[in-house]
Amino acid sequence: GQNIDQPTEMTATEGAIVQINCTYQTSGFNGLFWYQQHAGEAPTFLSYNVLDGLEEKGRFSSFLSRSKGYSYLLLKELQMKDSASYLCAVNRGSTLGRLYFGRGTQLTVWP
Amino acid sequence: NAGVTQTPKFRILKIGQSMTLQCTQDMNHNYMYWYRQDPGMGLKLIYYSVGAGITDKGEVPNGYNVSRSTTEDFPLRLELAAPSQTSVYFCASSPQTMNTEAFFGQGTRLTVV
Repeated sequence: GQNIDQPTEMTATEGAIVQINCTYQTSGFNGLFWYQQHAGEAPTFLSYNVLDGLEEKGRFSSFLSRSKGYSYLLLKELQMKDSASYLCAVNRGSTLGRLYFGRGTQLTVWP
Repeated sequence: NAGVTQTPKFRILKIGQSMTLQCTQDMNHNYMYWYRQDPGMGLKLIYYSVGAGITDKGEVPNGYNVSRSTTEDFPLRLELAAPSQTSVYFCASSPQTMNTEAFFGQGTRLTVV
């Protein structure tokens, strides 16, 4: 496979902060995406990182370290509606269009 | 604001039957993709297209075919359906591939029995 690794499941409580990690093979790296997918629905875009550092967008932030092959998605002020699967996806290689997805992290937010 | 539209939403096929999953987008995107998602797994790229008349294989193309005669439409053809093709299929499009988000259709849930 493409060796994109994420934890399978995470739980947290409303109002808390959670960090979802993603590691990947660094060869041919061209950018990393995070998508959110609610049960039975299509994935929706959250963030894109191609340079090292932190990208902040409201309650969600995404971090990338290219040398370490590591990214995380940080969710603040958790809400019940944040219960979903979070997919890490890597754009890799010289062939355009090849976006490789991890298995996703199922986040459950408890009241 | 239709975005990416997939039909049908659900389908049951018998082993050996054929069918076409339809996908159309109204955003004038050049790039279109077909993914499959098995339970508890990430999305696997089946085929993609960078523009009308141009298609290429993804990670798991065996058993599938595609065509891209127009910018809007990107149908996925299953020939001789097999139980291993039971999955949820997502079509997606993006203006370009390298640093822009992909917009997904609502998916087609296919069962092969």
